[in-house]
Amino acid sequence: GAGVSQSPSNKVTEKGKDVELRCDPISGHTALYWYRQSLGQGLEFLIYFQGNSAPDKSGLPSDRFSAERTGGSVSTLTIQRTQQEDSAVYLCASSFGGKETQYFGPGTRLLVL
Amino acid sequence: AQSVTQPDIHITVSEGASLELRCNYSYGATPYLFWYVQSPGQGLQLLLKYFSGDTLVQGIKGFEAEFKRSQSSFNLRKPSVHWSDAAEYFCAVVLTGGGNKLTFGTGTQLKVEL
Repeated sequence: GAGVSQSPSNKVTEKGKDVELRCDPISGHTALYWYRQSLGQGLEFLIYFQGNSAPDKSGLPSDRFSAERTGGSVSTLTIQRTQQEDSAVYLCASSFGGKETQYFGPGTRLLVL
Repeated sequence: AQSVTQPDIHITVSEGASLELRCNYSYGATPYLFWYVQSPGQGLQLLLKYFSGDTLVQGIKGFEAEFKRSQSSFNLRKPSVHWSDAAEYFCAVVLTGGGNKLTFGTGTQLKVEL
């Protein structure tokens, strides 16, 4: 009965390094979302997975960002060649399906030095 | 342009006073509407949502919101604020027929004075 979990809670990296952020959705939820929360941009959508459908990647800010969802459950958001403007809190959410309530994890706070 | 607007960046109320947080949206069709709360260092928690039907919706923690189509608004209210309500509040929408991604307002930071 656990909620959405994310790891790590905090990540500090150097500019130019790659990072991977992990999200474990609520069991049984078919939809998974990534959002980013930053001081300058507020809360913004990144990517959305629904079942076996092709993901909606319309919110990814650049081709340095990618995400995958393995086995319809766990998801990994990868940021390549990190930049300082990537510093933000990355939030994951899941839901039973489209148009259902999204439940959020606690987020991963990323700091790029 | 399509947007969600929360006009008040900061609001301060005294404990026990009533609260109203404003939210307006600018879309051609009525979207699905949500209010989320975020406490410091925490993720987002859903307070309430409106999809259709009764325009006055009840949520958790004693919150309610009223959808007014004529004003394109979905304001959040609470009759008596508690100190633990201090947090940031986000209005969000999902466009009908536009996928399921949430579009958020900029948030309202609520401070409660004891």
